[in-house]
Amino acid sequence: QVQLQQWGTGLVKPSETLSLTCAVDGGSFGGNYWSWIRQAPGKGLEWIGHIKHWGGTIYNPSFKSRVTISEDTSKRQSSLKLTSVTAADTAMYFCARGNTSSYFFDSWGQGTLVIVSA
Amino acid sequence: SYVVTQPPSVSVAPGQTAKITCAGNNIEGKDVHWYQQKPGQAPVLVVYDDNVRPSGVTERFSGSNSGDTATLNITGVEVGDEADYYCQTWDIRTYHWVFGGGTKLTVL
Repeated sequence: QVQLQQWGTGLVKPSETLSLTCAVDGGSFGGNYWSWIRQAPGKGLEWIGHIKHWGGTIYNPSFKSRVTISEDTSKRQSSLKLTSVTAADTAMYFCARGNTSSYFFDSWGQGTLVIVSA
Repeated sequence: SYVVTQPPSVSVAPGQTAKITCAGNNIEGKDVHWYQQKPGQAPVLVVYDDNVRPSGVTERFSGSNSGDTATLNITGVEVGDEADYYCQTWDIRTYHWVFGGGTKLTVL
């Protein structure tokens, strides 16, 4: 049973950097797509990007060069950084494990609400 | 990038069958997955690979995929099924994960 536990700064000032971390408990860390997904208030799910051990990163072009997803395999953690945030980045952020056989998300973190405000 | 479209809302009476659609160009050629999300909670996978239920998901949930439309069926709808439902697929050309806009299921 895989469990994802995420944490990070819940209040970020405009133009600063959002940082979140997701720890993986159980299961295999390598060989999966560790993804970040967000949901603005009252809106739908938006995939931000993923990292795959030895497979590199893929990002949603909507985030252009603002996003970086990294991993620390020794700690079994994935991290998200989003720079130059604006109020439009206010959202619930989820980490999720992407299945590599059929490309669905089979485990999710609990979510972290990030508010961008001065 | 590949686009999938869902109706914003579906309403159904208790005990009836709810059908939530997910439209995309030749979507039958892709694997479609469905998530249920209740307020304040993370999404939960209820159907994957078009029509497979994860362990622990009631058999009232089923899926199909044909032509340009994938469908999530919920039979014997209960008040507890009220939630937002999202379809998701994978764009093999761009390696992007694609979500539909979500459908709010209301049980009348």
